[in-house]
Amino acid sequence: SQTIHQWPATLVQPVGSPLSLECTVEGTSNPNLYWYRQAAGRGLQLLFYSVGIGQISSEVPQNLSASRPQDRQFILSSKKLLLSDSGFYLCAWSPTGGVGYTFGSGTRLTVV
Amino acid sequence: RKEVEQDPGPFNVPEGATVAFNCTYSNSASQSFFWYRQDCRKEPKLLMSVYSSGNEDGRFTAQLNRASQYISLLIRDSKLSDSATYLCVARSQGNLIFGKGTKLSVKP
Repeated sequence: SQTIHQWPATLVQPVGSPLSLECTVEGTSNPNLYWYRQAAGRGLQLLFYSVGIGQISSEVPQNLSASRPQDRQFILSSKKLLLSDSGFYLCAWSPTGGVGYTFGSGTRLTVV
Repeated sequence: RKEVEQDPGPFNVPEGATVAFNCTYSNSASQSFFWYRQDCRKEPKLLMSVYSSGNEDGRFTAQLNRASQYISLLIRDSKLSDSATYLCVARSQGNLIFGKGTKLSVKP
């Protein structure tokens, strides 16, 4: 069966520090991968998606970036965090051609 | 105009009540639709897909009206465990667009 792992679960980082969140999927190959952010009182916002290794599409311009170095690995990064980067970050996957998403358990990021 | 709009609630209902959530979407080219459930501080989980013919899963019934660009979710005989935020979702241009969610609180 397919599983998605996301870590860490919670993170407190100072403004200006770097960020690296990792997401891995097991039990499938060539998944579509997604990073979403859910800020307090707001809906889920699609940040990046990837349909293959090295292929990244950005939905919202910001100081975040994403990379997909391996088929089942998706990384969200920032060189310098802003207070506005605080939120609940969710990784998700779907099979190629599939319609439903499965989410990881999320990382709650607080920038202080 | 937001792509997927929902009443944020909260809906406070007693156990056993029937509750209905409504949702509208703006992109007429949206291809498929879903309801997700999100518990407090947890990830969203797929509750059910929504089909034009309407579909039922136990106490849950989902309806889609493409002409009106309207989606609904009906929960019958609500349980305490139904308390959560319900997210309306439309698939548009290959990606899922989420509404902000409607919060449901079922009280004893």
